[in-house]
Amino acid sequence: AQSVTQPDIHITVSEGASLELRCNYSYGATPYLFWYVQSPGQGLQLLLKYFSGDTLVQGIKGFEAEFKRSQSSFNLRKPSVHWSDAAEYFCAVGGIYGGATNKLIFGTGTLLAVQP
Amino acid sequence: SAVISQKPSRDICQRGTSLTIQCQVDSQVTMMFWYRQQPGQSLTLIATANQGSEATYESGFVIDKFPISRPNLTFSTLTVSNMSPEDSSIYLCSVEFLAGSSYEQYFGPGTRLTVT
Repeated sequence: AQSVTQPDIHITVSEGASLELRCNYSYGATPYLFWYVQSPGQGLQLLLKYFSGDTLVQGIKGFEAEFKRSQSSFNLRKPSVHWSDAAEYFCAVGGIYGGATNKLIFGTGTLLAVQP
Repeated sequence: SAVISQKPSRDICQRGTSLTIQCQVDSQVTMMFWYRQQPGQSLTLIATANQGSEATYESGFVIDKFPISRPNLTFSTLTVSNMSPEDSSIYLCSVEFLAGSSYEQYFGPGTRLTVT
């Protein structure tokens, strides 16, 4: 069965420090992978996605993620964190049904706190 | 992308009552989805709503409890019926768009439901 694991429930980093949020997935074929961010009281915003091709994908707000098939991972990175990045981050895997991503399976989320 | 709105944004309801949540999109979409996010947890797909057909429910969710309407390509409703405190959650709708050669899901701001 498809599943997504985010092993870090809560992470605290200092402003300006680098960030890496981990995501591991279980899926029988090449997955469609996504990272979303949810700020307090806000809906989910798509940061980036991987469908195929280059395994290093760039997203909005200076985020990037790398797909590593051998490790079944899709970790999210940012070289320098800003206080406004404090939020909850969700990794998700999508299946292919009739050409569409259809249902998304979400990880449990990583809550990021940023210290001044 | 799309502008997705939900009504109401939040509500406090008594057990045994029902609440209908509306989701409006500013452009026509084929597939709409309803998710539930229980307190402190990740998102779980309730059902997929395609215009002109019955909604498809995920395991653990039934039509009698969560009836869904999809009258046109820009609108859907989710009803939470005979509510209990366990239904206290954030309910989010999402839509899927073709972006380039791949698909993306965009989420509404959510409806925060508290059942007393």
